[in-house]
Amino acid sequence: KQEVTQIPAALSVPEGENLVLNCSFTDSAIYNLQWFRQDPGKGLTSLLLIQSSQREQTSGRLNASLDKSSGRSTLYIAASQPGDSATYLCAVIGYGQNFVFGPGTRLSVLP
Amino acid sequence: NAGVTQTPKFQVLKTGQSMTLQCAQDMNHEYMSWYRQDPGMGLRLIHYSVGAGITDQGEVPNGYNVSRSTTEDFPLRLLSAAPSQTSVYFCASEPLDGVQFFGPGTRLTVL
Repeated sequence: KQEVTQIPAALSVPEGENLVLNCSFTDSAIYNLQWFRQDPGKGLTSLLLIQSSQREQTSGRLNASLDKSSGRSTLYIAASQPGDSATYLCAVIGYGQNFVFGPGTRLSVLP
Repeated sequence: NAGVTQTPKFQVLKTGQSMTLQCAQDMNHEYMSWYRQDPGMGLRLIHYSVGAGITDQGEVPNGYNVSRSTTEDFPLRLLSAAPSQTSVYFCASEPLDGVQFFGPGTRLTVL
Protein backbone atom coordinates (compact mmCIF):
# COMPACT_ATOMS: atom_id res chain seq x y z
CA LYS A 1 0.00 0.00 0.00
CA GLN A 2 1.37 3.39 -1.02
CA GLU A 3 2.11 5.75 1.86
CA VAL A 4 3.03 9.40 1.45
CA THR A 5 4.68 11.54 4.08
CA GLN A 6 5.59 15.21 4.10
CA ILE A 7 8.23 16.99 6.11
CA PRO A 8 8.05 19.37 7.82
CA ALA A 9 4.45 19.39 9.05
CA ALA A 10 4.63 23.16 9.53
CA LEU A 11 7.09 25.86 8.55
CA SER A 12 7.32 29.54 9.32
CA VAL A 13 9.75 31.75 7.40
CA PRO A 14 10.34 35.47 6.90
CA GLU A 15 9.37 36.99 3.59
CA GLY A 16 11.98 36.66 0.85
CA GLU A 17 13.45 33.35 1.95
CA ASN A 18 13.87 30.41 -0.38
CA LEU A 19 12.42 27.20 1.03
CA VAL A 20 12.06 23.50 0.30
CA LEU A 21 9.14 21.23 1.10
CA ASN A 22 9.67 17.49 1.09
CA CYS A 23 7.44 14.61 0.02
CA SER A 24 8.34 10.92 0.37
CA PHE A 25 6.51 7.88 -0.92
CA THR A 26 7.01 4.17 -0.29
CA ASP A 27 6.19 2.62 -3.68
CA SER A 28 8.26 3.92 -6.58
CA ALA A 29 5.88 2.47 -9.21
CA ILE A 30 4.04 5.73 -9.74
CA TYR A 31 2.42 7.22 -12.82
CA ASN A 32 2.95 10.83 -11.84
CA LEU A 33 3.11 13.19 -8.87
CA GLN A 34 1.24 16.39 -8.28
CA TRP A 35 1.74 19.28 -5.87
CA PHE A 36 -1.29 21.19 -4.62
CA ARG A 37 -1.96 24.27 -2.58
CA GLN A 38 -4.88 24.54 -0.17
CA ASP A 39 -5.97 27.79 1.43
CA PRO A 40 -7.96 27.62 4.70
CA GLY A 41 -11.56 26.55 4.11
CA LYS A 42 -10.97 26.12 0.38
CA GLY A 43 -10.47 23.35 -2.11
CA LEU A 44 -7.14 22.30 -3.59
CA THR A 45 -5.42 24.07 -6.45
CA SER A 46 -2.95 22.17 -8.60
CA LEU A 47 0.50 23.78 -8.75
CA LEU A 48 2.69 21.36 -10.68
CA LEU A 49 2.31 17.94 -12.27
CA ILE A 50 5.42 15.81 -12.82
CA GLN A 51 5.10 12.81 -15.09
CA SER A 52 7.02 9.73 -13.95
CA SER A 53 9.45 10.12 -16.87
CA GLN A 54 10.31 13.69 -15.86
CA ARG A 55 12.81 14.89 -13.28
CA GLU A 56 11.40 18.34 -12.62
CA GLN A 57 8.80 20.94 -13.50
CA THR A 58 8.89 24.70 -13.08
CA SER A 59 6.17 27.32 -12.83
CA GLY A 60 7.20 30.84 -11.94
CA ARG A 61 8.85 30.80 -8.51
CA LEU A 62 8.01 27.13 -8.00
CA ASN A 63 10.18 24.20 -8.96
CA ALA A 64 9.29 20.59 -8.23
CA SER A 65 11.69 17.68 -8.60
CA LEU A 66 11.05 13.96 -8.66
CA ASP A 67 13.39 11.09 -7.84
CA LYS A 68 11.37 7.93 -8.28
CA SER A 69 14.14 5.55 -7.30
CA SER A 70 14.52 7.14 -3.87
CA GLY A 71 10.79 7.83 -3.46
CA ARG A 72 11.18 11.56 -3.06
CA SER A 73 9.89 14.82 -4.42
CA THR A 74 10.73 18.35 -3.37
CA LEU A 75 8.91 21.61 -3.93
CA TYR A 76 11.22 24.61 -4.02
CA ILE A 77 9.69 28.06 -3.51
CA ALA A 78 11.92 30.99 -4.37
CA ALA A 79 11.67 34.43 -2.79
CA SER A 80 8.68 33.52 -0.62
CA GLN A 81 5.85 36.03 -0.17
CA PRO A 82 3.07 36.32 2.44
CA GLY A 83 0.61 35.26 -0.29
CA ASP A 84 2.38 31.89 -0.42
CA SER A 85 1.02 31.09 3.06
CA ALA A 86 -1.11 27.97 2.68
CA THR A 87 -0.97 24.22 3.14
CA TYR A 88 0.98 22.38 0.44
CA LEU A 89 0.09 18.79 -0.35
CA CYS A 90 1.74 16.28 -2.61
CA ALA A 91 -0.19 13.46 -4.21
CA VAL A 92 1.21 10.34 -5.79
CA ILE A 93 -0.76 8.89 -8.67
CA GLY A 94 -0.56 5.16 -9.30
CA TYR A 95 -1.22 3.34 -12.56
CA GLY A 96 -4.83 2.82 -11.54
CA GLN A 97 -5.25 6.60 -11.51
CA ASN A 98 -5.70 6.53 -7.76
CA PHE A 99 -4.34 9.51 -5.88
CA VAL A 100 -2.67 9.04 -2.49
CA PHE A 101 -2.15 12.31 -0.65
CA GLY A 102 0.39 13.29 1.93
CA PRO A 103 -0.77 15.05 5.11
CA GLY A 104 0.54 18.41 3.93
CA THR A 105 2.98 21.08 5.07
CA ARG A 106 1.45 24.22 6.56
CA LEU A 107 3.52 27.21 5.44
CA SER A 108 3.44 30.67 7.00
CA VAL A 109 5.43 33.46 5.35
CA LEU A 110 5.80 36.40 7.69
CA PRO A 111 5.95 39.96 6.32
CA ASN B 1 -16.38 27.12 -17.49
CA ALA B 2 -17.69 26.73 -13.94
CA GLY B 3 -15.12 23.99 -13.27
CA VAL B 4 -16.08 21.57 -10.50
CA THR B 5 -19.12 22.58 -8.46
CA GLN B 6 -20.36 21.01 -5.23
CA THR B 7 -23.60 21.45 -3.33
CA PRO B 8 -24.37 22.03 -0.56
CA LYS B 9 -21.47 23.95 0.99
CA PHE B 10 -22.56 23.05 4.53
CA GLN B 11 -24.86 20.35 5.90
CA VAL B 12 -25.87 19.14 9.33
CA LEU B 13 -27.45 15.70 9.64
CA LYS B 14 -28.73 13.57 12.46
CA THR B 15 -27.42 10.05 12.90
CA GLY B 16 -29.26 7.66 10.60
CA GLN B 17 -30.35 10.25 8.06
CA SER B 18 -29.42 9.85 4.42
CA MET B 19 -28.40 12.49 1.93
CA THR B 20 -26.70 13.06 -1.40
CA LEU B 21 -23.76 15.35 -1.99
CA GLN B 22 -23.84 16.72 -5.50
CA CYS B 23 -20.82 17.16 -7.77
CA ALA B 24 -20.77 18.39 -11.34
CA GLN B 25 -18.07 19.35 -13.82
CA ASP B 26 -18.35 21.04 -17.20
CA MET B 27 -14.88 20.21 -18.54
CA ASN B 28 -15.83 16.86 -20.10
CA HIS B 29 -13.38 15.04 -17.83
CA GLU B 30 -13.52 11.27 -17.76
CA TYR B 31 -12.13 10.78 -14.28
CA MET B 32 -14.02 11.94 -11.19
CA SER B 33 -13.47 11.14 -7.55
CA TRP B 34 -14.64 11.83 -4.03
CA TYR B 35 -12.36 12.44 -1.05
CA ARG B 36 -12.86 13.16 2.57
CA GLN B 37 -10.45 15.35 4.49
CA ASP B 38 -10.04 14.93 8.23
CA PRO B 39 -7.57 16.66 10.56
CA GLY B 40 -4.34 14.69 10.79
CA MET B 41 -5.52 12.17 8.16
CA GLY B 42 -5.05 14.10 4.95
CA LEU B 43 -7.33 13.41 1.98
CA ARG B 44 -8.58 9.87 1.59
CA LEU B 45 -10.22 8.51 -1.55
CA ILE B 46 -13.80 7.28 -1.09
CA HIS B 47 -14.92 6.34 -4.61
CA TYR B 48 -13.86 7.15 -8.12
CA SER B 49 -15.07 6.79 -11.68
CA VAL B 50 -13.13 6.57 -14.94
CA GLY B 51 -16.17 7.27 -17.08
CA ALA B 52 -19.95 7.17 -17.28
CA GLY B 53 -21.28 3.87 -15.98
CA ILE B 54 -18.01 2.88 -14.30
CA THR B 55 -17.30 3.34 -10.60
CA ASP B 56 -14.91 1.75 -8.16
CA GLN B 57 -14.03 1.87 -4.49
CA GLY B 58 -11.22 3.85 -3.00
CA GLU B 59 -9.57 3.60 0.38
CA VAL B 60 -12.61 4.36 2.59
CA PRO B 61 -15.81 3.37 0.73
CA ASN B 62 -17.90 1.97 3.59
CA GLY B 63 -21.12 3.89 4.21
CA TYR B 64 -21.05 5.64 0.84
CA ASN B 65 -22.52 4.91 -2.59
CA VAL B 66 -21.85 6.55 -5.94
CA SER B 67 -23.20 6.36 -9.46
CA ARG B 68 -22.08 7.92 -12.73
CA SER B 69 -24.93 8.09 -15.20
CA THR B 70 -23.45 11.03 -17.11
CA THR B 71 -19.96 12.38 -17.70
CA GLU B 72 -20.87 15.60 -15.88
CA ASP B 73 -22.33 14.36 -12.60
CA PHE B 74 -20.95 12.19 -9.82
CA PRO B 75 -23.17 12.25 -6.71
CA LEU B 76 -22.09 10.76 -3.39
CA ARG B 77 -24.78 9.18 -1.22
CA LEU B 78 -24.57 8.68 2.50
CA LEU B 79 -26.88 5.78 3.25
CA SER B 80 -27.24 6.14 7.02
CA ALA B 81 -25.15 8.98 8.40
CA ALA B 82 -22.88 8.33 11.37
CA PRO B 83 -20.84 10.80 13.49
CA SER B 84 -17.68 9.22 12.03
CA GLN B 85 -18.71 10.67 8.68
CA THR B 86 -18.33 14.22 9.95
CA SER B 87 -15.73 15.62 7.57
CA VAL B 88 -15.07 17.91 4.66
CA TYR B 89 -15.86 16.24 1.35
CA PHE B 90 -14.14 17.17 -1.89
CA CYS B 91 -15.06 16.17 -5.39
CA ALA B 92 -12.41 16.26 -8.11
CA SER B 93 -12.20 15.68 -11.83
CA GLU B 94 -9.41 15.32 -14.35
CA PRO B 95 -8.82 14.36 -17.93
CA LEU B 96 -7.04 11.03 -18.00
CA ASP B 97 -3.30 11.67 -17.51
CA GLY B 98 -3.93 15.27 -16.57
CA VAL B 99 -4.12 17.76 -13.78
CA GLN B 100 -6.78 17.18 -11.12
CA PHE B 101 -9.30 19.96 -10.44
CA PHE B 102 -11.04 20.16 -7.08
CA GLY B 103 -14.41 21.54 -6.07
CA PRO B 104 -14.77 23.93 -3.11
CA GLY B 105 -15.86 21.21 -0.70
CA THR B 106 -18.88 20.33 1.44
CA ARG B 107 -18.54 20.58 5.20
CA LEU B 108 -20.70 17.87 6.76
CA THR B 109 -21.53 17.50 10.44
CA VAL B 110 -23.37 14.44 11.72
CA LEU B 111 -24.85 14.79 15.18
